Amino acid sequence: KQEVTQIPAALSVPEGENLVLNCSFTDSAIYNLQWFRQDPGKGLTSLLLIQSSQREQTSGRLNASLDKSSGRSTLYIAASQPGDSATYLCAVSTLSNFGNEKLTFGTGTRLTIIP
Amino acid sequence: DVKVTQSSRYLVKRTGEKVFLECVQDMDHENMFWYRQDPGLGLRLIYFSYDVKMKEKGDIPEGYSVSREKKERFSLILESASTNQTSMYLCASSFGWGGMEGYTFGSGTRLTVV
Repeated sequence: KQEVTQIPAALSVPEGENLVLNCSFTDSAIYNLQWFRQDPGKGLTSLLLIQSSQREQTSGRLNASLDKSSGRSTLYIAASQPGDSATYLCAVSTLSNFGNEKLTFGTGTRLTIIP
Repeated sequence: DVKVTQSSRYLVKRTGEKVFLECVQDMDHENMFWYRQDPGLGLRLIYFSYDVKMKEKGDIPEGYSVSREKKERFSLILESASTNQTSMYLCASSFGWGGMEGYTFGSGTRLTVV
């Protein structure tokens, strides 16, 4: 059974710093990995999608990397801003018991940017 | 802009009631999913559907059922609501295999069972 872990569970950094969020997964047979952002009481917003054949994806100040063989992904946020404060969730796409695709989520990292 | 719409933002129901949570997507996606989210447990998959009238159990299907009569609509049913089903429920959809376009989530329904 696929398990996804995100460490740390919470992180506080001063505004302007660069930071890295970590995600690890136990089964390397994934189709893709996706990073989401969730604001309190809200749904999920997709940030970056990395296909299993890719090594990284970039969007603005965000860069996500994928090392499938070691079961790891990182989300790098450059020049952090207070508006980046949110919970960040990592999810991997794998096959279900009946051969259909499904997402398995980590429990998230709650990020606070201190002005 | 693509959308997944959940019919209710907040819902309060009594123990034993039959509860319907509705989700509609306008992207012609084949796959639709229902998750629940609880503090410390993250998002857990309840049921998903990969085609009209097709469904598969997720990791925590007990106490729930689903219905997908039309491609754009996926309903989650709590046959007899219980207090341990108080949670945030999130619907999502995706296109085809490999999530080539990723997954799109609705804004969530916060259900309280009293």
